[in-house]
Amino acid sequence: NAGVTQTPKFQVLKTGQSMTLQCAQDMNHNSMYWYRQDPGMGLRLIYYSASEGTTDKGEVPNGYNVSRLNKREFSLRLESAAPSQTSVYFCASSVQSSGRQGDTQYFGPGTRLTVL
Amino acid sequence: AQSVAQPEDQVNVAEGNPLTVKCTYSVSGNPYLFWYVQYPNRGLQFLLKYITGDNLVKGSYGFEAEFNKSQTSFHLKKPSALVSDSALYFCAVRLTGANNLFFGTGTRLTVIP
Repeated sequence: NAGVTQTPKFQVLKTGQSMTLQCAQDMNHNSMYWYRQDPGMGLRLIYYSASEGTTDKGEVPNGYNVSRLNKREFSLRLESAAPSQTSVYFCASSVQSSGRQGDTQYFGPGTRLTVL
Repeated sequence: AQSVAQPEDQVNVAEGNPLTVKCTYSVSGNPYLFWYVQYPNRGLQFLLKYITGDNLVKGSYGFEAEFNKSQTSFHLKKPSALVSDSALYFCAVRLTGANNLFFGTGTRLTVIP
């Protein structure tokens, strides 16, 4: 099993450009998540998908959109990138989000994004 | 407000000595507590979690953590530190009914040879 994979690993954008971050998991998990990591702030949830076909906003959703393409894949899109979106983005998955609060989330290697 | 705190940004310990990375939480209801480790330029790796039952939880790489309800703490410990334990450690809590993890700000552990 590859676990959770993310592409690309690194990306540099100019202000106003758009891009999509890709995430896939091969663990047959139902739930998937997008977090951003900023220095001194830990990880914050952007969006999550409790199951295929559903998505919900997290703590910091502004400026982002997501698509749960199928059970394996969950993408994050920046329509018009801003310097404040410079961050490291992590995708995660878990068996199930609701009703099983003890489920472990497994993280991908991250995408380091710089917006100039 | 519900939160999780890691009071130390940096912890230094000599190789072979015991290590402790502190975590306290403030939540209503029963918390589900997690520890993750992040090595440089890598994603987060799961170490251990507390859901219910025995207050002492054993995890990967010889780490353990003790859940203390009266002190609302979940400190990470290891009896003998290795240089390879040097990394960034995150405590996280998942609240009843919540879909995501709330993370502390992280503690950078440096094990000195």
